[in-house]
Amino acid sequence: AQSVTQLDSHVSVSEGTPVLLRCNYSSSYSPSLFWYVQHPNKGLQLLLKYTSAATLVKGINGFEAEFKKSETSFHLTKPSAHMSDAAEYFCVVSSGGSNYKLTFGKGTLLTVNP
Amino acid sequence: SAVISQKPSRDICQRGTSLTIQCQVDSQVTMMFWYRQQPGQSLTLIATANQGSEATYESGFVIDKFPISRPNLTFSTLTVSNMSPEDSSIYLCSVEDAFLAAGRSYNEQFFGPGTRLTVL
Repeated sequence: AQSVTQLDSHVSVSEGTPVLLRCNYSSSYSPSLFWYVQHPNKGLQLLLKYTSAATLVKGINGFEAEFKKSETSFHLTKPSAHMSDAAEYFCVVSSGGSNYKLTFGKGTLLTVNP
Repeated sequence: SAVISQKPSRDICQRGTSLTIQCQVDSQVTMMFWYRQQPGQSLTLIATANQGSEATYESGFVIDKFPISRPNLTFSTLTVSNMSPEDSSIYLCSVEDAFLAAGRSYNEQFFGPGTRLTVL
């Protein structure tokens, strides 16, 4: 079984300040982990993915995430928020293998204030 | 990466009717998935659709309500049957693509733009 917990349903930051979106996971297998972003009335876009190649993963638009097995965490960060980062962010875990299935977290709404 | 299109992009339907949503991929893929995103909620997997076999439904979803077709490796349909207002959601299809990293094979999913359904 696998599950994802996004610890904050809503995060509000000021433009230019750091962003931290928290995610904890559980998985019976070596997980693949993803962060997706969904802008209003737009489709889902993959920000970054962890595949066990490196624990610090860099994604698009300056985002990165660090896989910490001991803490079962995969938090998403960005040093400096931009207004265009305002969106819904989903942390996702997959079991991989032949029974590939994505499990989505409930999402974190990021608001960026001018 | 796979490019996915969905039709219709949105629709408003009457209670009791059915709507068929189409998903087209620009490359051949083995596995396709259908998700539902209810208003203000996260995505929930409805079913997995493999070409040449029956769709596999997740707990809480049944074939009579959400029949799926997968006639070939680039196309699938999801029908929302006998609709009620509770079926108002965004329905998304996705496809799985495999990639290699550090000598292992991993999977990544690409999502279509979604179909926004409102049931009156």
